[in-house]
Amino acid sequence: SQTIHQWPATLVQPVGSPLSLECTVEGTSNPNLYWYRQAAGRGLQLLFYSVGIGQISSEVPQNLSASRPQDRQFILSSKKLLLSDSGFYLCAWRWRGTDTQYFGPGTRLTVL
Amino acid sequence: KNEVEQSPQNLTAQEGEFITINCSYSVGISALHWLQQHPGGGIVSLFMLSSGKKKHGRLIATINIQEKHSSLHITASHPRDSAVYICAVAAGSQGNLIFGKGTKLSVKP
Repeated sequence: SQTIHQWPATLVQPVGSPLSLECTVEGTSNPNLYWYRQAAGRGLQLLFYSVGIGQISSEVPQNLSASRPQDRQFILSSKKLLLSDSGFYLCAWRWRGTDTQYFGPGTRLTVL
Repeated sequence: KNEVEQSPQNLTAQEGEFITINCSYSVGISALHWLQQHPGGGIVSLFMLSSGKKKHGRLIATINIQEKHSSLHITASHPRDSAVYICAVAAGSQGNLIFGKGTKLSVKP
């Protein structure tokens, strides 16, 4: 069976500090991978998606970046966090050619 | 105007009541999803549909493609149904999801 992991579960970081959130998927190969953010009082927003190793598409301009160094690993990064980066970050995956997405448990990031 | 609109934003019901949450969208889609988000934040996919109606236990989801509208119904609601229900549509060539803002449901015993 397939599982998706995210860590850390919660994170409190000062403004200007770097960020690295990791997502890994088990039990599948060559999935599409996604990073979403849910800011307080707002809906989920797609940040990045990837259709393969090293292939990253960005949906919104921001000070975040994503990388996919391995087939089942998706990393969200920032060199300098802003207060507005606070939120709930979700990773998701889906099989090519299907529509169902499977979500990870999420990381709650607070930037102070 | 958001591409995916949900109503109501908040909903309080008594245990046993029949509940309806609505979703309207303004873009062409390949599928529509209903998701459930519990207070801890975890998201579970309830339904994915592109036409007609689906039923799972006490949950029923319908979609009208011509009217660009979907509804999620919960029969005999229970306090454990309390959660945020999110409508999302798969649109564009990559089928990426566009989300509504969610409906916060609270079912009182």
